[in-house]
Amino acid sequence: AQKVTQAQTEISVVEKEDVTLDCVYETRDTTYYLFWYKQPPSGELVFLIRRNSFDEQNEISGRYSWNFQKSTSSFNFTITASQVVDSAVYFCALSPGSARQLTFGSGTQLTVLP
Amino acid sequence: DVKVTQSSRYLVKRTGEKVFLECVQDMDHENMFWYRQDPGLGLRLIYFSYDVKMKEKGDIPEGYSVSREKKERFSLILESASTNQTSMYLCASIPSGGRSKSYTQYFGPGTRLTVL
Repeated sequence: AQKVTQAQTEISVVEKEDVTLDCVYETRDTTYYLFWYKQPPSGELVFLIRRNSFDEQNEISGRYSWNFQKSTSSFNFTITASQVVDSAVYFCALSPGSARQLTFGSGTQLTVLP
Repeated sequence: DVKVTQSSRYLVKRTGEKVFLECVQDMDHENMFWYRQDPGLGLRLIYFSYDVKMKEKGDIPEGYSVSREKKERFSLILESASTNQTSMYLCASIPSGGRSKSYTQYFGPGTRLTVL
């Protein structure tokens, strides 16, 4: 069985602060994919990143960075110099390598205050 | 760009009504999914389909059925709507085979259903 835990239900920061969203996962598969999605107030899920279980390199994309650590089963997401437009619900998700279904965490509501 | 559309953004129905939620994708994807999203629970998979006329139960199929008569269209059916089915419903799609190695699902804008 797959499980994704996002322990932070809500986070509030002031603009330009850095913020890290935590994601811990459980799976018995050796091959799997991890994802982050953003859901702005408009409701549509926006794909941010995908990582496969064999690639533990950290990734940076502009103000976004991701830290994947298999030893702790974590895939954390950091926003540097946050902006008001970053306010959204962020979901971490897991897909086993043999299937296509996603298992989602419960999401973290991020509010960036001006 | 992949486009996944859903028939309504907002829908209000009464208890006991039969409700149809439609999802259409324009990228020839074989796989389509229906999720419901509730506060504190994230997205939960209701049903999915790997091909026309094929369907598989997800984690919470009770009270729902689906129809996939054409490749581009995947319908979610609430046979007799109940108040506990008030939720946000999201449709997603992904291609099969070599095109799906990334397993990245593309989502529609969602339908917010209220059952009174």
